[in-house]
Amino acid sequence: NAGVTQTPKFQVLKTGQSMTLQCAQDMNHEYMSWYRQDPGMGLRLIHYSVGAGITDQGEVPNGYNVSRSTTEDFPLRLLSAAPSQTSVYFCASTPTGRGEQYFGPGTRLTVT
Amino acid sequence: RKEVEQDPGPFNVPEGATVAFNCTYSNSASQSFFWYRQDCRKEPKLLMSVYSSGNEDGRFTAQLNRASQYISLLIRDSKLSDSATYLCVVIEAAGNKLTFGGGTRVLVKP
Repeated sequence: NAGVTQTPKFQVLKTGQSMTLQCAQDMNHEYMSWYRQDPGMGLRLIHYSVGAGITDQGEVPNGYNVSRSTTEDFPLRLLSAAPSQTSVYFCASTPTGRGEQYFGPGTRLTVT
Repeated sequence: RKEVEQDPGPFNVPEGATVAFNCTYSNSASQSFFWYRQDCRKEPKLLMSVYSSGNEDGRFTAQLNRASQYISLLIRDSKLSDSATYLCVVIEAAGNKLTFGGGTRVLVKP
């Protein structure tokens, strides 16, 4: 099993550009989440999904969209990048909403 | 006040010493608690769950104090490889809301 994979590992965007961060898991987990991690802020939940076709907003959803067409994939779209979105983005999956979260290796995004 | 708070540290620990640190949470309805470890520029990984009666995993001991609303992590006989940031995670009973603390950085030195 590859676990949770994320691409790209690094990305630099200019303000106003859009892009999609990819996340995939091969563990057949129902729950998937996107977090951003900023220094001193811990991980903050952006969006999450409890199964294919179901998504919901987390703590900091503005500026991001998600979709969940399959159990395996959970892409995160930045609609119009802003410098405030410079962060490390982690995707995570879990078989239930309450147990161990399995994280991908992260995407380091810089918006200039 | 943040929902889940941790002392950011760093805690500078001599090799072989014991270090302990806490994580406080504000929601008394919180039900599940975890400690994660995060190495520099890596993803968080589960270290251990925290049970009501307290639990040990080798050199690591986790405790829950519901009355004072905090969990703790104690590391005995610290190794250089224990240097990392330790994140606490608190899950509410309703809605499965999961909140991370900001992390406590531990540096074990020879």
